[in-house]
Amino acid sequence: KAGVTQTPRYLIKTRGQQVTLSCSPISGHRSVSWYQQTPGQGLQFLFEYFSETQRNKGNFPGRFSGRQFSNSRSEMNVSTLELGDSALYLCASSLTALRTNEKLFFGSGTQLSVL
Amino acid sequence: SQQGEEDPQALSIQEGENATMNCSYKTSINNLQWYRQNSGRGLVHLILIRSNEREKHSGRLRVTLDTSKKSSSLLITASRAADTASYFCATDRRTGNQFYFGTGTSLTVIP
Repeated sequence: KAGVTQTPRYLIKTRGQQVTLSCSPISGHRSVSWYQQTPGQGLQFLFEYFSETQRNKGNFPGRFSGRQFSNSRSEMNVSTLELGDSALYLCASSLTALRTNEKLFFGSGTQLSVL
Repeated sequence: SQQGEEDPQALSIQEGENATMNCSYKTSINNLQWYRQNSGRGLVHLILIRSNEREKHSGRLRVTLDTSKKSSSLLITASRAADTASYFCATDRRTGNQFYFGTGTSLTVIP
């Protein structure tokens, strides 16, 4: 069974641009959650999607948005990029709606650099 | 905001030694999980411990949970160079629908 796939692996953008990241969960998994990882802040929860609906959202500005498609694939979008958005963006999938008694399966991440 | 905080931030040991890292958290939890991350990659689940459990084992891993002190520890016995990675604890709050990760412990195992 294929793991969680994130594309692209690396991205370089300039301030003010917008970016879209993609995540394909493990086949049969219906929940996708997104995290931002930076050296100083660790992993910060962005949002979770289940059955095409956003169930939960972290403390990020509205520039960060996402969606989920009927095949459970998810995209996240960051508009008007800022230097501080440079980070590793990780997505994780789980079988059902996110519950902390279930383990998460992570992709390898998208490394975003904003210049 | 972070719920779990790992300690120490960095740890360097010789192959064959044991490695212990700790996680402290602030509010009551339902579950606590430990994850490993190899450099620049995704996280891999290691073990889950529920709030009513005190200790769990998985291979060379031993996890303890002390809810009265709001802390957990991860022990890796007989470490190997392949154990070199960052280790994160993931906690929840009573809602149980979101993970909170710390900044991790960076473990280096010297061959």
